[in-house]
Amino acid sequence: NAGVTQTPKFRILKIGQSMTLQCTQDMNHNYMYWYRQDPGMGLKLIYYSVGAGITDKGEVPNGYNVSRSTTEDFPLRLELAAPSQTSVYFCASRSTGEGSNQPQHFGDGTRLSIL
Amino acid sequence: GQSLEQPSEVTAVEGAIVQINCTYQTSGFYGLSWYQQHDGGAPTFLSYNALDGLEETGRFSSFLSRSDSYGYLLLQELQMKDSASYFCAVLYNFNKFYFGSGTKLNVKP
Repeated sequence: NAGVTQTPKFRILKIGQSMTLQCTQDMNHNYMYWYRQDPGMGLKLIYYSVGAGITDKGEVPNGYNVSRSTTEDFPLRLELAAPSQTSVYFCASRSTGEGSNQPQHFGDGTRLSIL
Repeated sequence: GQSLEQPSEVTAVEGAIVQINCTYQTSGFYGLSWYQQHDGGAPTFLSYNALDGLEETGRFSSFLSRSDSYGYLLLQELQMKDSASYFCAVLYNFNKFYFGSGTKLNVKP
């Protein structure tokens, strides 16, 4: 199984440019998440989705947008990139399952630099 | 709001036991998770506690006390490959996770 796949792995953007970070999962998970991780810090939730067509904001949504048109895909859009968005971005998926004990499965991350 | 506190760094020797504590203040609390992350890698799931008590998975155990808003991760028979960062994360409002800043574990020979 591929699990959670993120593309690209690395990217350098100029200030003001836009881009989309792709995330695909093949585990038929309903829940998907986008996090950013700054050096030496924990993960901050940007947006999450509980199913196709449903998205909601996390802790740090400003400057980002998401969509969830299918169960498999959860792209993250950066509009007007700013240096403060330089970070490592992780996508994760999680099964609903029974109870709350389902783990998050993470992709390998996208390392984004804005110069 | 949510807040989590865990030590920034812990050092232990190979073969020893180490405990990483996590205290939290959370509304809508469902459970406490632990994740491991090696440098340059992605977080990987270790354990989850929804109820009070100890959960054991091989060399790793995790404990939760909901009344004390406290949990810990216990690593036994430490190996060099256990050198990594360990994050506690609360699950709140059933859907959202809030991560601590992580504890860097250094295992020395």
